[in-house]
Amino acid sequence: EAQVTQNPRYLITVTGKKLTVTCSQNMNHEYMSWYRQDPGLGLRQIYYSMNVEVTDKGDVPEGYKVSRKEKRNFPLILESPSPNQTSLYFCASHGAYEQYFGPGTRLTVT
Amino acid sequence: GENVEQHPSTLSVQEGDSAVIKCTYSDSASNYFPWYKQELGKGPQLIIDIRSNVGEKKDQRIAVTLNKTAKHFSLHITETQPEDSAVYFCAAISGGGADGLTFGKGTHLIIQP
Repeated sequence: EAQVTQNPRYLITVTGKKLTVTCSQNMNHEYMSWYRQDPGLGLRQIYYSMNVEVTDKGDVPEGYKVSRKEKRNFPLILESPSPNQTSLYFCASHGAYEQYFGPGTRLTVT
Repeated sequence: GENVEQHPSTLSVQEGDSAVIKCTYSDSASNYFPWYKQELGKGPQLIIDIRSNVGEKKDQRIAVTLNKTAKHFSLHITETQPEDSAVYFCAAISGGGADGLTFGKGTHLIIQP
């Protein structure tokens, strides 16, 4: 079954405490992306990756890092989280067109 | 870059009636237009898509139309049912776009019993 998995699904943390959200896909897609979803703003792309070791900034990259050491994994790293990064995060993978989303990670930074 | 506008932001219809959600895009090079449905607590799921060489596509109660000249596309849901209540997103992409989709801001569809 085609699947994108994310962990954790829910996370409450404090300002400045580094965290990583993992993402994995089983479709052998070259392309992967991270989005954040906020009320009234829709889905905004944070970072994307075109292949192993190839990443680029999306629309809202500030405060985030990513890495792509393996094709199936694309972790999102918040080195020093701040309250304005409280949001719902989605990982996605895609071929040339169809994009598949993970179930989401709800992050709260206090 | 691409910019996608979606209207309305909220749509309430009576069960059994039709619902129409409209999107416009800015990049004439965009050639793939998917629609996603997002239910509470879940990630967006692809429900229908259309490529730029096609004007209309149907799948049971849902259909999508595309007007390339005007750069707009629409989602049509007929005979709406309670399970259609969700947030719907349109999106656009240029073929092979590595940077992924550009999304509209979403429409909250409410089906009134």
